[in-house]
Amino acid sequence: GESVGLHLPTLSVQEGDNSIINCAYSNSASDYFIWYKQESGKGPQFIIDIRSNMDKRQGQRVTVLLNKTVKHLSLQIAATQPGDSAVYFCAETFDYKLSFGAGTTVTVRA
Amino acid sequence: DVKVTQSSRYLVKRTGEKVFLECVQDMDHENMFWYRQDPGLGLRLIYFSYDVKMKEKGDIPEGYSVSREKKERFSLILESASTNQTSMYLCASSYPRTGTEAFFGQGTRLTVV
Repeated sequence: GESVGLHLPTLSVQEGDNSIINCAYSNSASDYFIWYKQESGKGPQFIIDIRSNMDKRQGQRVTVLLNKTVKHLSLQIAATQPGDSAVYFCAETFDYKLSFGAGTTVTVRA
Repeated sequence: DVKVTQSSRYLVKRTGEKVFLECVQDMDHENMFWYRQDPGLGLRLIYFSYDVKMKEKGDIPEGYSVSREKKERFSLILESASTNQTSMYLCASSYPRTGTEAFFGQGTRLTVV
């Protein structure tokens, strides 16, 4: 499954499939780009970040891709699990300021 | 275990009241933030602070002020609460400069009637 843009789209994914969540960022001068996950009733939690001079970074089951040419950030989740159901936010940092996008709601179908 | 604690989980206030939302972190973090979260709008930054007594406006500071007298405590003040300030308020803290990994409190659901 794949989402597009900084709006608040919903993404429905079959368990076991790969998920791709996309985000368009606004500030070309941002130092880092980050993905957060927010589960129901909780505050957002850090997933992974990428420095502005990098194109790709991998974590456990997640990969973040940064395309500075088109100001685009994506989060790929491999083998999506029911516990991945949450709202995902992209964020960026510039001079201590940490700003978030509108979020994408991911629902994993059994 | 890292912890960011917000003083209230739920709060109901009347229009025109002065409201204080308190946030305390035990991680010795320099950076602290206040956000409000509304459906469809994500997290919007109200104010942030990168040191004691330092404060910077975020994207929506109107109607709010903050106080950071001690490193561990960051207070959000609604000078005269209005119904359009009904929202979920989230506090966060992080290490300096890069500060990509912010730790969030559980949030305060504020209703202004």
